[in-house]
Amino acid sequence: NAGVTQTPKFQVLKTGQSMTLQCAQDMNHEYMSWYRQDPGMGLRLIHYSVGAGITDQGEVPNGYNVSRSTTEDFPLRLLSAAPSQTSVYFCASSYRDYADTQYFGPGTRLTVL
Amino acid sequence: AQSVTQLDSQVPVFEEAPVELRCNYSSSVSVYLFWYVQYPNQGLQLLLKYLSGSTLVKGINGFEAEFNKSQTSFHLRKPSVHISDTAEYFCAVLPYGDSSYKLIFGSGTRLLVRP
Repeated sequence: NAGVTQTPKFQVLKTGQSMTLQCAQDMNHEYMSWYRQDPGMGLRLIHYSVGAGITDQGEVPNGYNVSRSTTEDFPLRLLSAAPSQTSVYFCASSYRDYADTQYFGPGTRLTVL
Repeated sequence: AQSVTQLDSQVPVFEEAPVELRCNYSSSVSVYLFWYVQYPNQGLQLLLKYLSGSTLVKGINGFEAEFNKSQTSFHLRKPSVHISDTAEYFCAVLPYGDSSYKLIFGSGTRLLVRP
């Protein structure tokens, strides 16, 4: 049981490039979320999914896309990277909803030059 | 709108001393309450949560928190800290009863335990 896995661990992009951050969980959880963590701001929700085929926007969705074709995978796409997207990105999953324990991945540290 | 305030950005404390990390929230609806811990270069993990019942909640690693509805607070305490408790601690609220059913995190408190 690997829990929540994220790849890559580190990434450097140039402004305007696109990329996909991968997230997978093997716990058969329904809820999956993407957060970004910036110094002094805690975690902010980017997008979330309550099940395969269902996604919705969080607090800071602009510049990001998601899809959920399977229960296990929830990739986050940066369409055209900007320096303001330099951050640490965490994927999390929980069994049914946010009242359940959220399990976090180890994070992806992204730098946009 | 809901919000979470962690007034202390950093709390230094000596090993074996007690500690309290403060969390206050603002919400127009009822909330569930959580404390998560983030060790260096890791993701967050749940310390404890309050959903209902006793307002004193015990969590992992000897931590506990008390929900005070009148003061809208959920402070985290430990009677004797260890070096290994050095980490960042996040308070979070989950409002329920309206459409904004998503976790809202505070800005975090860095606990620094010194020998």
